[in-house]
Amino acid sequence: GAVVSQHPSRVICKSGTSVKIECRSLDFQATTMFWYRQFPKQSLMLMATSNEGSKATYEQGVEKDKFLINHASLTLSTLTVTSAHPEDSSFYICSARDTTVITGGRANEKLFFGSGTQLSVL
Amino acid sequence: SQQGEEDPQALSIQEGENATMNCSYKTSINNLQWYRQNSGRGLVHLILIRSNEREKHSGRLRVTLDTSKKSSSLLITASRAADTASYFCALNSGGYQKVTFGTGTKLQVIP
Repeated sequence: GAVVSQHPSRVICKSGTSVKIECRSLDFQATTMFWYRQFPKQSLMLMATSNEGSKATYEQGVEKDKFLINHASLTLSTLTVTSAHPEDSSFYICSARDTTVITGGRANEKLFFGSGTQLSVL
Repeated sequence: SQQGEEDPQALSIQEGENATMNCSYKTSINNLQWYRQNSGRGLVHLILIRSNEREKHSGRLRVTLDTSKKSSSLLITASRAADTASYFCALNSGGYQKVTFGTGTKLQVIP
């Protein structure tokens, strides 16, 4: 089945530094990837939709200058948390859809998730 | 974008019992999906049900969808300790691009 690799799994950084998180689709091409944020014991909140070769689409309330998204190839999207602060500490998860799989005229609607990145900002 | 509301928030059962969790939503959907998350991990897709379907089965999982009531349920039969996890419904609405997640049900299966 499709595999999405996310790296790093855990990062601890000082306040004010920037952190880059990578999300790779290993055996399929993903024109679209999604970035979610999850606080402890809460649901996933969609932050942005990453589009290959174009600008990301951010959800309301998400600062695009704070959370930089780059989707330079069909298999890689990166999320950079710029000038991180303790309130940015959270679990970040990426996902992708294998749109090359067509069943009954529909592209595959199932999402494949990375294993997540736990960010702790001191 | 809408978010599904799930209940119960937490559920604790004995191994072998059935577990039922529910998801309600507010606007129309294209499909509804159920995902499982082990603590501190990514999510794993379990089952997808389309808006024109009423029931789907996959192994020990049974999902129902009532679009008139805007609700779905996930039934896990003959639960096992390994089923302990959080379960989320996910709504695919508007364009097929975005998927938004429900509030989640934390299931504990006691051996």
